Amino acid sequence: DGGITQSPKYLFRKEGQNVTLSCEQNLNHDAMYWYRQDPGQGLRLIYYSQIVNDFQKGDIAEGYSVSREKKESFPLTVTSAQKNPTAFYLCASSIGGQGQETQYFGPGTRLLVL
Amino acid sequence: GEDVEQSLFLSVREGDSSVINCTYTDSSSTYLYWYKQEPGAGLQLLTYIFSNMDMKQDQRLTVLLNKKDKHLSLRIADTQTGDSAIYFCAVLNDYKLSFGAGTTVTVRA
Repeated sequence: DGGITQSPKYLFRKEGQNVTLSCEQNLNHDAMYWYRQDPGQGLRLIYYSQIVNDFQKGDIAEGYSVSREKKESFPLTVTSAQKNPTAFYLCASSIGGQGQETQYFGPGTRLLVL
Repeated sequence: GEDVEQSLFLSVREGDSSVINCTYTDSSSTYLYWYKQEPGAGLQLLTYIFSNMDMKQDQRLTVLLNKKDKHLSLRIADTQTGDSAIYFCAVLNDYKLSFGAGTTVTVRA
């Protein structure tokens, strides 16, 4: 069953703590993306990766970090430098390359601050 | 950057048609998308249209694109209670998707 999985569904962060959100896909897609969703707003791009071992900052990368060591995995770390991390985080992937940019989304992780 | 605007709310009677509108600013956009989000869930791709088309129909969904006015709409025929959700318009330039804030559609009996 092909798709994108995100875990955990809910995540709680304490002050000063780094937390990592998991995103895995078995669609054999080259490109992967992380978005943040706040209530009443559209999605904003945090980081994206068009190929393994390469990634670029999106519009709101400050306070976040990523890695892309494997094609199927693109974990996002929310660091203590991110002062307002409470949000819904969505991972997406696409085949990659021109004309193959349609993005498919995972179920999301809701991050809450204790 | 790209600005994408949508009205925030739409209330529609069950069985009627729903029309959700979207405007964007960058005329070089290649693909334009409609996604659906149910409470607590991720985004589900509903349909998309390539920028050289002006209409696309897919079962109950009709997408209209007016490139001159940079206006995109999604019509849902025979709206059902299961269509209650937030609908996002998204516009692609190069690799990057720009999203509107979403239209919350409420279907009333």
